Amino acid sequence: IQMTQSPPSLSASVGDRVTITCRASQDIGSSLAWYQKRPEKAPKSLIYAASTLQPGVPSRFSGSGSGTDFTLTISSLQPEDSATYYCQQYKSYPLTFGGGTKVEIK
Amino acid sequence: EVQLVESGGGLVQPGGSLRLSCEASGFNFGFYTMNWVRQGPGKGLEWVSSIGASSSSIYYADSVKGRFTTSRDNDKNVLYLQMNSLRGDDTALYFCAKGVGVGGTERYWGQGALVTVSS
Repeated sequence: IQMTQSPPSLSASVGDRVTITCRASQDIGSSLAWYQKRPEKAPKSLIYAASTLQPGVPSRFSGSGSGTDFTLTISSLQPEDSATYYCQQYKSYPLTFGGGTKVEIK
Repeated sequence: EVQLVESGGGLVQPGGSLRLSCEASGFNFGFYTMNWVRQGPGKGLEWVSSIGASSSSIYYADSVKGRFTTSRDNDKNVLYLQMNSLRGDDTALYFCAKGVGVGGTERYWGQGALVTVSS
């Protein structure tokens, strides 16, 4: 299953609403997770089951979608949100990740 | 608190071998599928392998099939990745992860072990 993210990168200001999209090449139901990744650090899990927030993740992060089209939204961008974001399908093996969206703060 | 701690990374020559370990704590290790994911320099996240709770099901990415072997010791709460015939494109930060496989829910990651394949 191929996972396609867009855009590849974006630049936004603190307080902006940011939306990242992820498209699966076939129906994956709700088997979709989102991660935040900073260089040389472990991925941070944000969302699983397309819209369930991982414990401890700020509520400004939210996920939606099902089937083939999914969205990660940051409602009010914060400086610490500067990172690369990845989607991942876990409907079937091989597990696959999107190519990533790099979020920069203006 | 779930903790995953990788060890065993290092510098190895092409064609060489290395074994990574991941010590788990804070959850009932023997009940969960465990996974290896890697990130090469300047690249995205790449799934490497998953192993079921009882080791009866093991899956590999095509890029490592036949060269890497995943195993686990549920008595010691340790996950292993035996890497043979290493190549330059295996150079990456290798992460141990819980919950990222099929059917997973909450997911947790180790801090990573750096593997560098170079002569």
